[in-house]
Amino acid sequence: DGGITQSPKYLFRKEGQNVTLSCEQNLNHDAMYWYRQDPGQGLRLIYYSQIVNDFQKGDIAEGYSVSREKKESFPLTVTSAQKNPTAFYLCASNFVSRTNYGYTFGSGTRLTVV
Amino acid sequence: AQKVTQAQTEISVVEKEDVTLDCVYETRDTTYYLFWYKQPPSGELVFLIRRNSFDEQNEISGRYSWNFQKSTSSFNFTITASQVVDSAVYFCALSLSYSGAGSYQLTFGKGTKLSVIP
Repeated sequence: DGGITQSPKYLFRKEGQNVTLSCEQNLNHDAMYWYRQDPGQGLRLIYYSQIVNDFQKGDIAEGYSVSREKKESFPLTVTSAQKNPTAFYLCASNFVSRTNYGYTFGSGTRLTVV
Repeated sequence: AQKVTQAQTEISVVEKEDVTLDCVYETRDTTYYLFWYKQPPSGELVFLIRRNSFDEQNEISGRYSWNFQKSTSSFNFTITASQVVDSAVYFCALSLSYSGAGSYQLTFGKGTKLSVIP
């Protein structure tokens, strides 16, 4: 079955470390997105990519970086510049067309700074 | 820019009661999509419904119903005869319609936590 795989499910980071969250999709979707969720804050957009080798900053991109070298993959790196990285991270993808406009979400990665 | 407001932070109801979750949105675009998602404690987002801005017909699906009113920029969600399994966080979201250019990310409200008490 097609879907989005996020790994790991839980991730612990020491202060000052960079960590990378994986997001892989086998849906042949063009666009991919990273969202951050904090309690009471809803989901906020970090980065998105609509085609390979291109990506755009979302509302809260500071302290994060991404790459889109393959259509299937959109990894998110949480850098040491991100002052409060503890959160739940969701990856999503969609196939943008006039007739197909559904989004698929991964099951999320819960990042904790220790 | 788009904005979605869910004024109800938390709601508690007793099982079998009806409950309505409010959603108000803002956008300057004339064509857009509205969504509702459910997030159970496990964290994954479960898609419930998508409405096109051209289609104001209200919809009923089992115990769920949606009331879309462009005049008030609202897209409210009602659960009839609530059950304990309905306990979750519910998100309303908006995205622009396909136009051949631009970006189509979802803009979410902050969510409403629904607790159904047995």
